[in-house]
Amino acid sequence: DVVMTQSPLSLPVTLGQSASISCRSSQSLVHSDGNTYLHWFQQRPGQSPRRLIYKVSNRDSGVPDRFSGSGSGTDFTLKISRVEAEDVGVYYCMQGTHRWTFGQGTKVEIK
Amino acid sequence: EVHLVESGGGLVQPGGSLRLSCAASGFTFSSYAMTWVRQAPEKGLEWVSTMSGSGGDTYYADSVKGRFTISRDNSKNTLYLQMNSLRAEDTAVYYCATSYSLDSWGQGTLVTVSS
Repeated sequence: DVVMTQSPLSLPVTLGQSASISCRSSQSLVHSDGNTYLHWFQQRPGQSPRRLIYKVSNRDSGVPDRFSGSGSGTDFTLKISRVEAEDVGVYYCMQGTHRWTFGQGTKVEIK
Repeated sequence: EVHLVESGGGLVQPGGSLRLSCAASGFTFSSYAMTWVRQAPEKGLEWVSTMSGSGGDTYYADSVKGRFTISRDNSKNTLYLQMNSLRAEDTAVYYCATSYSLDSWGQGTLVTVSS
């Protein structure tokens, strides 16, 4: 099974500053069809998860351009530029190349 | 607009059964794979099961294989999860989500397995 490892697990950030979350997989996420099925989700307190980024770097509709995804192979990053109060929550990476696996989640809070 | 509404959760004793439903609207249901994801209290997300749009392909997490069955009725735009031989560790909020990449989610339904 593919293991997804996120770091850090807790991320205190100052409003207006940037934040980065790392997600590493135990094997390459490049599918035989050439796509890399690595997605990012946000779960605000008391809410259902919401997809932010699909296939590494594609922002979903309505997602602010402060959110960006990058990476390849086994190493991926979610960056939040100019953190706002509404960004507080838990962020998960998920791979869908080898069945489906979530990372442990990274809790983003305001300092 | 995509709308997913889960139902069927509740309190069940260990060893019991429960069937969850996910009513979908706002998209062509039969064209999309559908997925169940769960979240135990104060824990992270765990993929449970996925079914293709036609229903011909199904996938299960090892933790539920042989106990849970995913199905769908495309004439009713509804996804199901039949859960048998329930254990305490199955206690969680169960979400349904669209497609293989989980682009839209429902609000979830709580399943509590306890005596």
